Amino acid sequence: DQQVKQNSPSLSVQEGRISILNCDYTNSMFDYFLWYKKYPAEGPTFLISISSIKDKNEDGRFTVFLNKSAKHLSLHIVPSQPGDSAVYFCAASAGDTPLVFGKGTRLSVIA
Amino acid sequence: GAGVSQSPSNKVTEKGKDVELRCDPISGHTALYWYRQSLGQGLEFLIYFQGNSAPDKSGLPSDRFSAERTGGSVSTLTIQRTQQEDSAVYLCASSPRGRGLQFFGPGTRLTVL
Repeated sequence: DQQVKQNSPSLSVQEGRISILNCDYTNSMFDYFLWYKKYPAEGPTFLISISSIKDKNEDGRFTVFLNKSAKHLSLHIVPSQPGDSAVYFCAASAGDTPLVFGKGTRLSVIA
Repeated sequence: GAGVSQSPSNKVTEKGKDVELRCDPISGHTALYWYRQSLGQGLEFLIYFQGNSAPDKSGLPSDRFSAERTGGSVSTLTIQRTQQEDSAVYLCASSPRGRGLQFFGPGTRLTVL
């Protein structure tokens, strides 16, 4: 049973436009959500997180939105830059349990 | 160093051989995790350590896979009698506690010929 789902394996966006990456989860006990970014031949790096007590967290060009009733979160990148091209992983945890990761979405930002 | 380190960065082995992959977590991090990423796939959880014990081994794909952690620090993932389907990037991560933000190493790319 996949508790964290990223249903879009890939996404292409024009440079300067908004990138929206989506993530759905099934476990209503999840209370902490993160996005990681991964370049080829490197480990994933932390991008941004959100606690379940919030519905939005912003850090520069990156904003994460959480809709608890829909069990859905999204990552907005605006404006998108070619250097944002990478695989983005959504992850979630409940209490003291380790993170559960989605399968990732490959973002390509086209100049 | 300040981050999670893994060695070797690349390993090529013949089918049937045993391999050992090493992870040095961030100093002071009590939790350590192993994942693998096969070509075109997401992050597959393998095992999780809290200190030297492994509360969750549910992701180990077969009894050919084992892992240990000593001194609450370095961990070794061992794959016995490697198979071609074991080819993947093996990633290690650590966190200050058993939850929340994990910091990843650069991974070990394993190729089984």
